[in-house]
Amino acid sequence: DARVTQTPRHKVTEMGQEVTMRCQPILGHNTVFWYRQTMMQGLELLAYFRNRAPLDDSGMPKDRFSAEMPDATLATLKIQPSEPRDSAVYFCASGSYYTEAFFGQGTRLTVV
Amino acid sequence: AQSVSQHNHHVILSEAASLELGCNYSYGGTVNLFWYVQYPGQHLQLLLKYFSGDPLVKGIKGFEAEFIKSKFSFNLRKPSVQWSDTAEYFCAVNINAGNNRKLIWGLGTSLAVNP
Repeated sequence: DARVTQTPRHKVTEMGQEVTMRCQPILGHNTVFWYRQTMMQGLELLAYFRNRAPLDDSGMPKDRFSAEMPDATLATLKIQPSEPRDSAVYFCASGSYYTEAFFGQGTRLTVV
Repeated sequence: AQSVSQHNHHVILSEAASLELGCNYSYGGTVNLFWYVQYPGQHLQLLLKYFSGDPLVKGIKGFEAEFIKSKFSFNLRKPSVQWSDTAEYFCAVNINAGNNRKLIWGLGTSLAVNP
């Protein structure tokens, strides 16, 4: 059963530390999304890629966040330096031109 | 700008009550439509989708949605809810924006079903 895999599932880190979240999209999907979900803001699109190229990262704070797809099987979201307000659940989703988005289980990030 | 509106932010129902959650979008072109559900502590899962054909779409767990193009709506319905339907429900619309498709999300509706 194909699924989107995210690691780690949980991350607790101290303010100022670098955080890297990883996502393995479903094989054959050419679109990858990064979302952040909090109680206050709900579901926010941070960035999305098509065929590994970033198409829209306007939802991402550029000074500390970066998203990349070094290859078709890996997407990364990095926060450097992390801040307490970055605490959230980060979801990766993948899809193709003709399908819905399939979500990973998420990474629950806590910055203390 | 394209947007998706979910009219109900919080809905509280008793078991066996009927459910209808509204979803409207603002875009005049071709769309694909989705409803996702997020159970407490879990990730988003697809409930149902519309790409083409019959505008009345049936999904999992007894949910259905009707695409009314003239009203730009894709409301979600269930005739009789259960306690296990307590969750957050998101409407999403995939639009063709030039050379790219863009997935736009509603803010979600929180449904609480009392036993």
